[in-house]
Amino acid sequence: KNQVEQSPQSLIILEGKNCTLQCNYTVSPFSNLRWYKQDTGRGPVSLTIMTFSENTKSNGRYTATLDADTKQSSLHITASQLSDSASYICVVSALGGANNLFFGTGTRLTVIP
Amino acid sequence: GAGVSQSPSNKVTEKGKDVELRCDPISGHTALYWYRQRLGQGLEFLIYFQGNSAPDKSGLPSDRFSAERTGESVSTLTIQRTQQEDSAVYLCASSLTTGNYGYTFGSGTRLTVV
Repeated sequence: KNQVEQSPQSLIILEGKNCTLQCNYTVSPFSNLRWYKQDTGRGPVSLTIMTFSENTKSNGRYTATLDADTKQSSLHITASQLSDSASYICVVSALGGANNLFFGTGTRLTVIP
Repeated sequence: GAGVSQSPSNKVTEKGKDVELRCDPISGHTALYWYRQRLGQGLEFLIYFQGNSAPDKSGLPSDRFSAERTGESVSTLTIQRTQQEDSAVYLCASSLTTGNYGYTFGSGTRLTVV
């Protein structure tokens, strides 16, 4: 069964600190993995996208890693800012098919001053 | 347009009424998805359109839900005889093809059934 699991479910950190969010998946055949940031009341916005052959991808203070062998991904946020407070959603695409996107339930990050 | 546009942004309706939600995809995007996001939960697939092909309706939760799309343009999601459990944010996303890149989401329509 194609599933995407994220941890932790929620996280509170102090401004300026780093944090790492986890995503484990069982989606097969794997096509790519994306991390989205969803601010409250807004639609998800793409942060990174990685294919099978990519291990690391950065977008500013966001760095995503992918281990396609263990089917794990992480999103590392460096020097967190208050504006990083949002839900971070891991989305894994399978090859082929129409409904080939599988979503995690997200990690709710709160950055406090 | 520059992004995926959804309207209305908020909708409050009485139980039993019908509602229509609209999604304007990015121009040229052939694939269009509708998702539902209940409070504190993940995204739930509803329906998928790809060009002029028959839509994938496998995610629609009941026959009260239907969606239409004319060609590669605007899509409407209709919920008939709304129930309180229909309260959620309805998100639309579009992409260039069925390929797995470049999905762009709209800001969603927050539906509240009272």
